[in-house]
Amino acid sequence: DAKTTQPPSMDCAEGRAANLPCNHSTISGNEYVYWYRQIHSQGPQYIIHGLKNNETNEMASLIITEDRKSSTLILPHATLRDTAVYYCIVRFSRLNDYKLSFGAGTTVTVRA
Amino acid sequence: NAGVTQTPKFRVLKTGQSMTLLCAQDMNHEYMYWYRQDPGMGLRLIHYSVGEGTTAKGEVPDGYNVSRLKKQNFLLGLESAAPSQTSVYFCASSYLQATNYGYTFGSGTRLTVV
Repeated sequence: DAKTTQPPSMDCAEGRAANLPCNHSTISGNEYVYWYRQIHSQGPQYIIHGLKNNETNEMASLIITEDRKSSTLILPHATLRDTAVYYCIVRFSRLNDYKLSFGAGTTVTVRA
Repeated sequence: NAGVTQTPKFRVLKTGQSMTLLCAQDMNHEYMYWYRQDPGMGLRLIHYSVGEGTTAKGEVPDGYNVSRLKKQNFLLGLESAAPSQTSVYFCASSYLQATNYGYTFGSGTRLTVV
């Protein structure tokens, strides 16, 4: 699976959009980009995923560059409850191989 | 819908003791996983299962055993606990076609081995 690079931490003002970058320059054509977050002491929570096209759901938007070497997770209106560690994961979907490889992630702190 | 339930939530063991962590899911997921998370680190895969009666090793399997006798349950066993196994353990499950869905994680078991 391709390796990802994320900034270790970032701050965001409450009510503003939070843009979380992720670099995955070695991504291959069949690898998906997944985002999870982990609020303190809780289990990770799935946010969104995509392959080539931009995606949006009730939690966030995912913007993937045309060359797919990087992506950005956008939290449109950050709240204090969005303070968490955010993990960008790139994974190749193979039969009988659905393991997720978690890195260190980005610690996002939303400030009032 | 309870999702993924882990028991117990907390446990303190003495070195050499054994214990079993239970993971139960009610979503009819085929795949189940056990991860451990050490302070300030990401999650590391211990073992996983692609279906009832099958298990496989992950990144850090040593010192652990698993069993999946029923589709909804995935057990993680520590035969002889060591202080290095002090960690937070997370169970997760997913559908077979996991590319279209995310994983669902439990709330974790905090284990301390003294």
